[in-house]
Amino acid sequence: DGGITQSPKYLFRKEGQNVTLSCEQNLNHDAMYWYRQDPGQGLRLIYYSQIVNDFQKGDIAEGYSVSREKKESFPLTVTSAQKNPTAFYLCASSMIAGPYEQYFGPGTRLTVT
Amino acid sequence: GENVEQHPSTLSVQEGDSAVIKCTYSDSASNYFPWYKQELGKGPQLIIDIRSNVGEKKDQRIAVTLNKTAKHFSLHITETQPEDSAVYFCAASASAGGTSYGKLTFGQGTILTVHP
Repeated sequence: DGGITQSPKYLFRKEGQNVTLSCEQNLNHDAMYWYRQDPGQGLRLIYYSQIVNDFQKGDIAEGYSVSREKKESFPLTVTSAQKNPTAFYLCASSMIAGPYEQYFGPGTRLTVT
Repeated sequence: GENVEQHPSTLSVQEGDSAVIKCTYSDSASNYFPWYKQELGKGPQLIIDIRSNVGEKKDQRIAVTLNKTAKHFSLHITETQPEDSAVYFCAASASAGGTSYGKLTFGQGTILTVHP
């Protein structure tokens, strides 16, 4: 059953703690992405990666970090430096060559209090 | 960078009516325009897309039109059903050189409500 999985679905943390969100795909896609979604807003790109061991900042990278050690995995760490971390986080993947279609995971809702 | 504006922000229709959502974009290099449907608490699902060498594309009750000169594209849903109720997002992307990588810039979303 191919797709993108994100875990956990809901995550609660205290302010000042780092937290890592998981994203795994078995679609054999080269590119992976992290987006943030706030109520009533579109999706904003945090980080993206086209190949293993390489990634680039998106539009709102401050306070976040990522790694891409395996093609299938692209974890996102929300650090204590992120001023407003409470949001819905979405991971996506796509092939590099040819189609641009991005396929999304089910998302992780992070609440920081 | 690219800027995508989407209108309206909310749209309410009766079952069986048509719904139209419009987007404009700023970067003339954009050449790929997908539409996503997002249900509450879920990730967006790609429902249709169009590339710049095509003016219109249809898939059953859904169609997308593209006007590259005016830099706008639209989603048309005919014979709406209550299960069409969701948030719809448009996006635009330009390929990056020979890698064909496309960074998507999203519109703000339209909340579509179809009343039975």
